[in-house]
Amino acid sequence: KAGVTQTPRYLIKTRGQQVTLSCSPISGHRSVSWYQQTPGQGLQFLFEYFSETQRNKGNFPGRFSGRQFSNSRSEMNVSTLELGDSALYLCASSFGQGESSPLHFGNGTRLTVT
Amino acid sequence: QKEVEQDPGPLSVPEGAIVSLNCTYSNSAFQYFMWYRQYSRKGPELLMYTYSSGNKEDGRFTAQVDKSSKYISLFIRDSQPSDSATYLCAIYTGRRALTFGSGTRLQVQP
Repeated sequence: KAGVTQTPRYLIKTRGQQVTLSCSPISGHRSVSWYQQTPGQGLQFLFEYFSETQRNKGNFPGRFSGRQFSNSRSEMNVSTLELGDSALYLCASSFGQGESSPLHFGNGTRLTVT
Repeated sequence: QKEVEQDPGPLSVPEGAIVSLNCTYSNSAFQYFMWYRQYSRKGPELLMYTYSSGNKEDGRFTAQVDKSSKYISLFIRDSQPSDSATYLCAIYTGRRALTFGSGTRLQVQP
């Protein structure tokens, strides 16, 4: 069974630009979550989607947004990029929405903002 | 006080040693606890998932939850150089959001 797939693996963008990251969950998984990982702050929750609806959002500015499609694939968008947005962005999927379903992570997209 | 605290290490042990990794948490209402392993340039890989108190064993790995002390542990028996990685504890702290510890970097010396 294929794992969580994230594309692209690496991105370099300039301040002020916007970026879209893509995530394909494990087959059959309907919940997709996004996390940001930085050396200083560690792993921080961005948002979670289930059945194309955002169910929960972390403490990030409105420049961070996402969506989920009917096939459970998800995209994350960051607008007006800042240097501090440089991070590893991780997507995770789970079968159900409840906390009894653990998260399985992809290998992430490494975003560098210059 | 942080919701989840983890000693960042690094922790260096000889091959074959028993490794003990630990986290503390702030809220006794938390019920779901996970341990992830992360290799360099990879995403976190789920190792253990436990509910409420008690022990759970999977091969060389044992996860332990002590709710009275708000303390979770991961034990690795017969550690191997391939176990060298960063280990992250994670807890569901509400509304499906995982809160992670800062991670402990483990190095197993051959």
